[in-house]
Amino acid sequence: SQQGEEDPQALSIQEGENATMNCSYKTSINNLQWYRQNSGRGLVHLILIRSNEREKHSGRLRVTLDTSKKSSSLLITASRAADTASYFCATDARTGANSKLTFGKGITLSVRP
Amino acid sequence: ETGVTQTPRHLVMGMTNKKSLKCEQHLGHNAMYWYKQSAKKPLELMFVYNFKEQTENNSVPSRFSPECPNSSHLFLHLHTLQPEDSALYLCASSPPSGGYNEQFFGPGTRLTVL
Repeated sequence: SQQGEEDPQALSIQEGENATMNCSYKTSINNLQWYRQNSGRGLVHLILIRSNEREKHSGRLRVTLDTSKKSSSLLITASRAADTASYFCATDARTGANSKLTFGKGITLSVRP
Repeated sequence: ETGVTQTPRHLVMGMTNKKSLKCEQHLGHNAMYWYKQSAKKPLELMFVYNFKEQTENNSVPSRFSPECPNSSHLFLHLHTLQPEDSALYLCASSPPSGGYNEQFFGPGTRLTVL
């Protein structure tokens, strides 16, 4: 069954604006990850937030995690045309061994120059 | 460039053909994954290998046959596929750790089954 579910499905913003994307999930997790995919390419890992963390930053990215609401948000500040891509949240419910990620359908972000 | 390569990048095959997809990583990772990505659907995990041993088969039809000869190489052998198997097939790898792993993805093979 699908674990991560992103919202909105599509987002179009002007360059320089902030983009906020949300992800909700159903079961307990070990960590939650966000990935980016440019059209027809592989996924690129952006950021990982552990279940005991509430907020994490990486450059222009800010991720929050609310385990009580089973939700996460990804904020991209001062967006650029190059940020145009699909963004996926993925939940990892395992501890130890190797990860088994469950992905959502993704959010299509368009940044207009 | 994530350090995970996939060949071929594009493949067109008939339903009676046999072909193989190849994935390679020299990142020192011990786990390798095959995913299927179809339009409008979430990424579907197909197989997981950990130290060359298959640890996950997500109810994948037998016309898809994975092979992992060593921790650096992963193959997906294709036989008697259906048009609905057309998709982007992604390989990924991840390092051993205490349970907090990011996955490194290859660029994918775009498969079209006629």
